[in-house]
Amino acid sequence: DAGVTQSPTHLIKTRGQHVTLRCSPISGHKSVSWYQQVLGQGPQFIFQYYEKEERGRGNFPDRFSARQFPNYSSELNVNALLLGDSALYLCASSPRDRVSDTQYFGPGTRLTVL
Amino acid sequence: GQSLEQPSEVTAVEGAIVQINCTYQTSGFYGLSWYQQHDGGAPTFLSYNGLDGLEETGRFSSFLSRSDSYGYLLLQELQMKDSASYFCAVRVHPLYNQGGKLIFGQGTELSVKP
Repeated sequence: DAGVTQSPTHLIKTRGQHVTLRCSPISGHKSVSWYQQVLGQGPQFIFQYYEKEERGRGNFPDRFSARQFPNYSSELNVNALLLGDSALYLCASSPRDRVSDTQYFGPGTRLTVL
Repeated sequence: GQSLEQPSEVTAVEGAIVQINCTYQTSGFYGLSWYQQHDGGAPTFLSYNGLDGLEETGRFSSFLSRSDSYGYLLLQELQMKDSASYFCAVRVHPLYNQGGKLIFGQGTELSVKP
């Protein structure tokens, strides 16, 4: 079975622009979470969606938004990009919305903001 | 607050055994997970401890002591391909972490030398 997939793999934007990142979860997984990983640090939680509803939001500004589609894929949107938004954006999926579920990560999208 | 501590770097030689420690201060603690990440790629799930004690998966073992808020990952028969970053990640009840179920440490860079 295919794992979590993300697109694009790399992206270069300039300050003030908007970006959309995409994620397809493992088949059968209904929960998707987004994480930001700055170089040299651990992933930091941004959002979680389950059955198209937001179930959690981390400490990120309103420039960050996300949604989940009926097929359980998800998009992360970031508006008014700042240099500090440069990071690896990871998507993780799990079968349900339970803390007992293991989260499986995709390869990430490397975003560079110039 | 929520915090995890793990060493930033560990170096070992091929064939050796290495232990990566993780201490945590977390409200709503549910369990401790370990992930491996090569060069900014996808974090790969290695192991999970929900109860005190040792979990063994091939060359990798993980241990948890809830009373000491401490866990470790043990890697045996080290191979060059084990050179990577290793993250401990606490699973928390969503009510204690703004909805996010995984809190990551800063990561330990393991270098395996010939």
